[in-house]
Amino acid sequence: AQSVTQLDSQVPVFEEAPVELRCNYSSSVSVYLFWYVQYPNQGLQLLLKYLSGSTLVKGINGFEAEFNKSQTSFHLRKPSVHISDTAEYFCAVRPGGYQKVTFGIGTKLQVIP
Amino acid sequence: DVKVTQSSRYLVKRTGEKVFLECVQDMDHENMFWYRQDPGLGLRLIYFSYDVKMKEKGDIPEGYSVSREKKERFSLILESASTNQTSMYLCATGTGGPYEQYFGPGTRLTVT
Repeated sequence: AQSVTQLDSQVPVFEEAPVELRCNYSSSVSVYLFWYVQYPNQGLQLLLKYLSGSTLVKGINGFEAEFNKSQTSFHLRKPSVHISDTAEYFCAVRPGGYQKVTFGIGTKLQVIP
Repeated sequence: DVKVTQSSRYLVKRTGEKVFLECVQDMDHENMFWYRQDPGLGLRLIYFSYDVKMKEKGDIPEGYSVSREKKERFSLILESASTNQTSMYLCATGTGGPYEQYFGPGTRLTVT
């Protein structure tokens, strides 16, 4: 079975500052990795995904994430955040060959003006 | 664009009532999922379906059942609602393969 750990439940950051949201996973098989964002009172939408190939993945809204197999991590980064990035972010892992996805508990990003 | 709609955004029901939550998608996706979202617990899979009339239990199926009579529609049923089923319920769809899921806007269910 796989698991996902999001190390920070809340991250406050000033506007225009950089941010990193951390995600670690465990799995006995190869995995696909995802970051989703949830704005208030909405469903989740895909931010970016790692399927294979380059370990640095770029997503929407200026976000990127790096897959590190040796450290089993998939941290999300943005060099300069905006007020509109205030949302909850979920890391998710899907083992190869399976349809079930395991989500982390989420990290709330609070951008301070 | 994939569209996933859920029958209600907010729902208030009484303990013991039978509750139906419906999800409809317009993209001909094979897979459909029901999650519940609770603070501090993230998203937990209740049930999923990979074809019409096919279903599989997720991590927390107790107290729930599902129905998928048509490819585009996936219903979650609470046979006898209880207060501990007060939660946000999210429907999602996806194709086969290593691809992302597409989520509906969610139904916030309160059981009193």
